[in-house]
Amino acid sequence: GNSVTQMEGPVTLSEEAFLTINCTYTATGYPSLFWYVQYPGEGLQLLLKATKADDKGSNKGFEATYRKETTSFHLEKGSVQVSDSAVYFCALTPSGGYQKVTFGTGTKLQVIP
Amino acid sequence: GAGVSQSPSNKVTEKGKDVELRCDPISGHTALYWYRQSLGQGLEFLIYFQGNSAPDKSGLPSDRFSAERTGGSVSTLTIQRTQQEDSAVYLCASSLVINRGNTEAFFGQGTRLTVV
Repeated sequence: GNSVTQMEGPVTLSEEAFLTINCTYTATGYPSLFWYVQYPGEGLQLLLKATKADDKGSNKGFEATYRKETTSFHLEKGSVQVSDSAVYFCALTPSGGYQKVTFGTGTKLQVIP
Repeated sequence: GAGVSQSPSNKVTEKGKDVELRCDPISGHTALYWYRQSLGQGLEFLIYFQGNSAPDKSGLPSDRFSAERTGGSVSTLTIQRTQQEDSAVYLCASSLVINRGNTEAFFGQGTRLTVV
């Protein structure tokens, strides 16, 4: 079956540090890949997505590149802010057929001033 | 409304009582999910509905949990004989299934269930 593995948290960074949250996946064919974010006390919302190999999703300074050869979709940001403190979830949707979204376990990011 | 709506937003119930949680998905969305999120934890998949296909119930933790989706729209998650370990935030999400599969899931704000 499909699965998503992301790095364990929590991740604690100082403001303006570089962020990487690793995500790898297992799926047949060409799934679409997503990062969702959950800010404290709020619901989950889509952060960015990529639908085919070598696509780069980007939003709010975050980026992730769909790497088919390494089955990865790592989330990066060059300079984090305190307001980026949240839980980040990597996810995939298979192509065609039964399209249940599979989520990773989430990575909590805490940015300190 | 334009988003996924869940009700109630908060529910406190006594141990052993039954509860019903409601989800109104975005109009036209053919897929609907229920998840559970305990404090500080990740998403625990419960059940998935897609169109007229048989639902994927593989995440339901026990036979006290059931869900239905009437008319391909509104869904109700029922927990019978609630236990304290059922306390969590129950999240509903919906998505528009299309051929390519790049279907973004839209989440509701959740129902916070507390069993006392």
